[in-house]
Amino acid sequence: SQTIHQWPATLVQPVGSPLSLECTVEGTSNPNLYWYRQAAGRGLQLLFYSVGIGQISSEVPQNLSASRPQDRQFILSSKKLLLSDSGFYLCAWSVNRGWEQYFGPGTRLTVT
Amino acid sequence: AQSVTQLGSHVSVSEGALVLLRCNYSSSVPPYLFWYVQYPNQGLQLLLKYTTGATLVKGINGFEAEFKKSETSFHLTKPSAHMSDAAEYFCAVSAQRSNDYKLSFGAGTTVTVRA
Repeated sequence: SQTIHQWPATLVQPVGSPLSLECTVEGTSNPNLYWYRQAAGRGLQLLFYSVGIGQISSEVPQNLSASRPQDRQFILSSKKLLLSDSGFYLCAWSVNRGWEQYFGPGTRLTVT
Repeated sequence: AQSVTQLGSHVSVSEGALVLLRCNYSSSVPPYLFWYVQYPNQGLQLLLKYTTGATLVKGINGFEAEFKKSETSFHLTKPSAHMSDAAEYFCAVSAQRSNDYKLSFGAGTTVTVRA
């Protein structure tokens, strides 16, 4: 069966510090991978998605970036965090475009 | 492009009462439709999905939803609410035979269950 992992589970970072969140999927090959953010009271916002190694599509211009160095690994990064980057970050994967997505447990990021 | 509208950001029901969450979609092509549930500080969990075929879809935890093309709706129901159903619920849509890799999510409905 397939599983998806995210770490860390929680993170408190000062403004201006760097960020690296990691997501890995097990039990499937060549998944489509997604990063979402949930800010308080604002629903789900798609940040990035990837259909293959090194292929990243950005949905929202901001100070975040994403990379996919391996088939089942997806990384969300920032060089300098802003207060507005606080939120709950979710990674997800899917088998085919348009099909259901399966979500990881999430990372709670607080920027102070 | 596809979109969904969830009617009602908050729903409060008594334990044992019917749960009804409303979702209307907009799509220029046949849709795939999904319902997800999110418990506090957890990821989203797929409750059920409609792809093709039978329009009444049964999911986990006693939930079901009916695809009504004429009404562009995909409402979620559960006959008898349990305290454990307290959570946030999201409706989502994508397009069949599309080049789009994304799902469009509704804003979510928070369900409170009263004892």
